[in-house]
Amino acid sequence: GAGVSQSPSNKVTEKGKDVELRCDPISGHTALYWYRQSLGQGLEFLIYFQGNSAPDKSGLPSDRFSAERTGGSVSTLTIQRTQQEDSAVYLCASSLQEYQPQHFGDGTRLSIL
Amino acid sequence: QQQVKQSPQSLIVQKGGISIINCAYENTAFDYFPWYQQFPGKGPALLIAIRPDVSEKKEGRFTISFNKSAKQFSLHIMDSQPGDSATYFCAASSDQAGTALIFGKGTTLSVSS
Repeated sequence: GAGVSQSPSNKVTEKGKDVELRCDPISGHTALYWYRQSLGQGLEFLIYFQGNSAPDKSGLPSDRFSAERTGGSVSTLTIQRTQQEDSAVYLCASSLQEYQPQHFGDGTRLSIL
Repeated sequence: QQQVKQSPQSLIVQKGGISIINCAYENTAFDYFPWYQQFPGKGPALLIAIRPDVSEKKEGRFTISFNKSAKQFSLHIMDSQPGDSATYFCAASSDQAGTALIFGKGTTLSVSS
């Protein structure tokens, strides 16, 4: 596809379970970002990947959150031992290069029961 | 501390009217200011962006006005249409401090026909 693709679009899980969210960026885009959107906090930066550089993890809210990007393309955001406050829409964005406009996917809506 | 403050929280405009959304920022290192439009169930879509070397940028019915000394920028939507009804987010980032976007809390625009 032409845009950023995220899967699943919706995920419902029980508190304490681990979840994996996937992002497939626009082909050729070297920069990839994860953000979280919740009613109380708005849109918050989580983590940023640029090429082969070490990721910027400064926005991750706790050590239960981690992300990886394999082969400079697809990225997976993992949340371990989910809590109810993790319920939010998780958005992925990509840009052609660092400091270029970011294009967002439609997100994964995560609900923790 | 909220680095980007957006107002109003919600806005109702008649069809054909002008919609104005304002943002103020704290960090003088910010040098990129985009506006995003988001429809329910979709990810934010880049609308228009500006850098501090210009005071105004226009694309179709959308105009960004930028006041560097006041650390404020605004989005003007001319001839507002019902299809413009959406949530609008301003954002800011700094090439020096990393490229993660810092978002305002959003403005929900409703254009009545």
